[in-house]
Amino acid sequence: DIVMTQTPLSSPVTLGQPASISCRSSQSLVHSDGNTYLSWLQQRPGQPPRLLIYKISNRFSGVPDRFSGSGAGTDFTLKISRVEAEDVGVYYCTQATQFPSITFGQGTRLEIK
Amino acid sequence: QVTLRESGPALVKPTQTLTLTCTFSGFSLSTSGMCVSWIRQPPGKALEWLALIDWDDDKYYSTSLKTRLTISKDTSKNQVVLTMTNMDPVDTATYYCARIHYGDPYYFDYWGQGTLVTVSS
Repeated sequence: DIVMTQTPLSSPVTLGQPASISCRSSQSLVHSDGNTYLSWLQQRPGQPPRLLIYKISNRFSGVPDRFSGSGAGTDFTLKISRVEAEDVGVYYCTQATQFPSITFGQGTRLEIK
Repeated sequence: QVTLRESGPALVKPTQTLTLTCTFSGFSLSTSGMCVSWIRQPPGKALEWLALIDWDDDKYYSTSLKTRLTISKDTSKNQVVLTMTNMDPVDTATYYCARIHYGDPYYFDYWGQGTLVTVSS
């Protein structure tokens, strides 16, 4: 299975300031079809996960444009341009390149300073 | 409007078999490319993929848990059922079902609210 490793595990951020989360995979996430199936999920306290970003950098429907994704191969980043109070929660990267053996990162907790 | 809802016992005893049902609406699991997956999350811990069933009734399981898991579907009832045998306290978790498409873009776009299962005698 592909191992997904996120850093940091916890990120205290000041409201209005940017935040960045990294995700590294144990092998390349480039699929045989040429796409890279790396997604980011947000899990607010007490809520199920919610899809934010798919295929590295595509925002899902309704996701604010302060969220952006980037990266390639084995290294990926989720950025929040200006953190808002509603962004508090845990963020997960996940790969589906090796579908159906889907794996998740260990999660990064975003909290307000 | 796509929705998924998990149901099942909140408490099971060690060694018992857990049966969870995912009831969904807004899509059909007989549509080509449609899949439903089960994912769990122990309290305070990360997400773990468990099993997946696709529109063609193909079934896939986590390598580490495959001997204990069975996934099935009832297309007419819009339900997917997961059974897990020989439950242990370490299996205490919130269990989610989620929809995923086979093929580009391969993402979990809709999730249920989850159901917390506690394993204790």
